[in-house]
Amino acid sequence: AQSVTQLGSHVSVSEGALVLLRCNYSSSVPPYLFWYVQYPNQGLQLLLKYTSAATLVKGINGFEAEFKKSETSFHLTKPSAHMSDAAEYFCAVSSSGFQKLVFGTGTRLLVSP
Amino acid sequence: SQTIHQWPATLVQPVGSPLSLECTVEGTSNPNLYWYRQAAGRGLQLLFYSVGIGQISSEVPQNLSASRPQDRQFILSSKKLLLSDSGFYLCAWSATDYGYTFGSGTRLTVV
Repeated sequence: AQSVTQLGSHVSVSEGALVLLRCNYSSSVPPYLFWYVQYPNQGLQLLLKYTSAATLVKGINGFEAEFKKSETSFHLTKPSAHMSDAAEYFCAVSSSGFQKLVFGTGTRLLVSP
Repeated sequence: SQTIHQWPATLVQPVGSPLSLECTVEGTSNPNLYWYRQAAGRGLQLLFYSVGIGQISSEVPQNLSASRPQDRQFILSSKKLLLSDSGFYLCAWSATDYGYTFGSGTRLTVV
């Protein structure tokens, strides 16, 4: 069975500061890993995905994530936070790009001026 | 290009009333379709998924059911709503290695 753990239900940063959202996964097969962002009362938008190619994945809005097999981690980072980054972020794991996704419980990112 | 439509956007229903939420996908054939529920302050729970017409898999026992009468149509239903059915319902589809595409969601409040 696959699972995802997101450490920290809330993360607060100042505008311009580094954003780091943590995600650890468990999977018995090589995983596909995803980060999604959700703005209030909206659906989820794909930020980036890892599909066994490059371990450093660049996504939209300046976000990137690094797949570390030894640490079973896929942390999301952004060098400089913007107010518009305030949202909820979900990490997810799958055995392929179109099989059912297992989501983490989400991390709400708060950005202060 | 592919699009996914989900409606209604918001819904307030009394306890014991029926429910029907619809999701349709355009621009793709034979997608995998999913219904997720997001309760307040919680993550996303997979309710149902479908790999083809008439093929429905249920992930958790509950008061809801799903149907797929056409290739690109996925319906979530209930005969009698419970208070615990309140939440944000999301439909999604996948057909390639690009992951899921989500609809805009339906906010259901059972009163």
